[in-house]
Amino acid sequence: EAEVAQSPRYKITEKSQAVAFWCDPISGHATLYWYRQILGQGPELLVQFQDESVVDDSQLPKDRFSAERLKGVDSTLKIQPAELGDSAMYLCASSALGGLGVGELFFGEGSRLTVL
Amino acid sequence: AQKVTQAQTEISVVEKEDVTLDCVYETRDTTYYLFWYKQPPSGELVFLIRRNSFDEQNEISGRYSWNFQKSTSSFNFTITASQVVDSAVYFCALSEAGSWGKLQFGAGTQVVVTP
Repeated sequence: EAEVAQSPRYKITEKSQAVAFWCDPISGHATLYWYRQILGQGPELLVQFQDESVVDDSQLPKDRFSAERLKGVDSTLKIQPAELGDSAMYLCASSALGGLGVGELFFGEGSRLTVL
Repeated sequence: AQKVTQAQTEISVVEKEDVTLDCVYETRDTTYYLFWYKQPPSGELVFLIRRNSFDEQNEISGRYSWNFQKSTSSFNFTITASQVVDSAVYFCALSEAGSWGKLQFGAGTQVVVTP
């Protein structure tokens, strides 16, 4: 069964350092999402891509976070500099329906970030 | 403002008991979607069900059933005859018109099923 691949699974870094997460969605899925899940809370959307274009990044802290999906396939989420409050699980998801469609989201296993 | 409220933080049951998870949502849209996702200890969220705002029919899928009531803005989820493998965090989520891909999740309910 096709899966959303994410790496690394775990990342420990010191504050002020840079960190990057990678996501490879299910083949053919046009829409890709990055969610952040703080311990004990539900996931929160950071950024949504339709192919290589950003559809929604209203909740992305743009002073330190950046996301790209250059060829409309895999994606990278970067944090620079990392802060203590960035400790969370970063979840990538993809769906087959883009635009106005509402598709089932397929999530990866996530990248757990700990900032010391 | 919290749009999806899951008031139960944790529910513990013994295997074979039924468990009902509550979800209350808030939206001004007349067209919206509601979801339930399961998050086992491994971390990935697993889609369970999607329901649009115009379909209030209850649904049953195996041991899972969902009760959608627009009058009370609730979308409750029942696991019948629970099993240890049902132990997970369950999230209710809302998607509104104009931002279909943006799921707004509740805080989740931890279900612990003991043998």
